[in-house]
Amino acid sequence: LAKTTQPISMDSYEGQEVNITCSHNNIATNDYITWYQQFPSQGPRFIIQGYKTKVTNEVASLFIPADRKSSTLSLPRVSLSDTAVYYCLVGLPGYKLSFGAGTTVTVRA
Amino acid sequence: KAGVTQTPRYLIKTRGQQVTLSCSPISGHRSVSWYQQTPGQGLQFLFEYFSETQRNKGNFPGRFSGRQFSNSRSEMNVSTLELGDSALYLCASSLWRDTDTQYFGPGTRLTVL
Repeated sequence: LAKTTQPISMDSYEGQEVNITCSHNNIATNDYITWYQQFPSQGPRFIIQGYKTKVTNEVASLFIPADRKSSTLSLPRVSLSDTAVYYCLVGLPGYKLSFGAGTTVTVRA
Repeated sequence: KAGVTQTPRYLIKTRGQQVTLSCSPISGHRSVSWYQQTPGQGLQFLFEYFSETQRNKGNFPGRFSGRQFSNSRSEMNVSTLELGDSALYLCASSLWRDTDTQYFGPGTRLTVL
């Protein structure tokens, strides 16, 4: 499974855009990039998934450069309720998911 | 469509006891995976069941076991509980292939005293 590196924490303010970059230098050809969000004492919630270029849904955007060695999760106009831990996973999206420490995003008023 | 449900949500046991946790996957999902989450170790994969068979297994002792029923519902059992088994146990379901996204339940918070 490809190892991922992401910042331990990030601070932001309501209404700002938050961008979290994840490095995955040894990503394999068949690997997908998946992001999850987790609130305390709750299960991780699927946010977005992509293979290459850009993916956008109603919650976030995922930017993947051509070499796929990194990816950036973009959360537009965050609110206090977006305070959570965000995990970047690389691999087959349904296979023995390996979660790292994640990025703790704190949104302040 | 209803999400993944887990019961019970909270559980308190004492050392040496055993516990059974239950998971109902999203309707139509045939793969169920179990994970353990602790502050020190993070989220770790326990095992995965598909069509009533264990398809993948993580690095946990034999005290941790599971099964899956014909309706895809799954149970996880931990025998001879230890203090270190205190954790949030999460169940995730996916359709059936490795490339299908996993969706997690709310978890069962197990406290071992």
